[in-house]
Amino acid sequence: DTAVSQTPKYLVTQMGNDKSIKCEQNLGHDTMYWYKQDSKKFLKIMFSYNNKELIINETVPNRFSPKSPDKAHLNLHINSLELGDSAVYFCASSQDVGAMNTEAFFGQGTRLTVV
Amino acid sequence: EDQVTQSPEALRLQEGESSSLNCSYTVSGLRGLFWYRQDPGKGPEFLFTLYSAGEEKEKERLKATLTKKESFLHITAPKPEDSATYLCAVPASNDYKLSFGAGTTVTVRA
Repeated sequence: DTAVSQTPKYLVTQMGNDKSIKCEQNLGHDTMYWYKQDSKKFLKIMFSYNNKELIINETVPNRFSPKSPDKAHLNLHINSLELGDSAVYFCASSQDVGAMNTEAFFGQGTRLTVV
Repeated sequence: EDQVTQSPEALRLQEGESSSLNCSYTVSGLRGLFWYRQDPGKGPEFLFTLYSAGEEKEKERLKATLTKKESFLHITAPKPEDSATYLCAVPASNDYKLSFGAGTTVTVRA
């Protein structure tokens, strides 16, 4: 059973389109995250939810909007996609807020390519 | 400003050739330092957490150590399956964010 699963694994789309990436965790964790990994491998946090409440909202374009229908799911919607949005997006979860006392579990990533 | 710097960027080793990776940080009031391993096309996988200077953790051929300003990940007698990118991360000084370094990509040749 996959602990943190995100779909799709690959996403190729044209500029200007709107797309969504879905994430689900079956670990019973309270906190979920979205990270962006650019071509230089830097992992940067975008958002974090704890029990469906937004607790981290980094400076990202407001074209990016997270939605957490319940604490096992955290989806990422991206409007009006731009070339610079191309990256690998990782969903993660942890038992505690900020994964400071316990490990974070990551999904396999979604490679988004905007053409 | 909190910073996490890893060196070297890349490390090519012969099988059995031990080496060390460095992670230096500038965070006030360190609340933990994490090491993760990332294989190509996959998400990071947790390896260790270190909380205080002098602490050491081991897992198979890997040993992580921590001082007040940096952490080392020692790879002893590596095998090709140890090839991966190794990431370190620390929580920010004043909030819940984990700041990751850029990683060290290790390639072990048979």
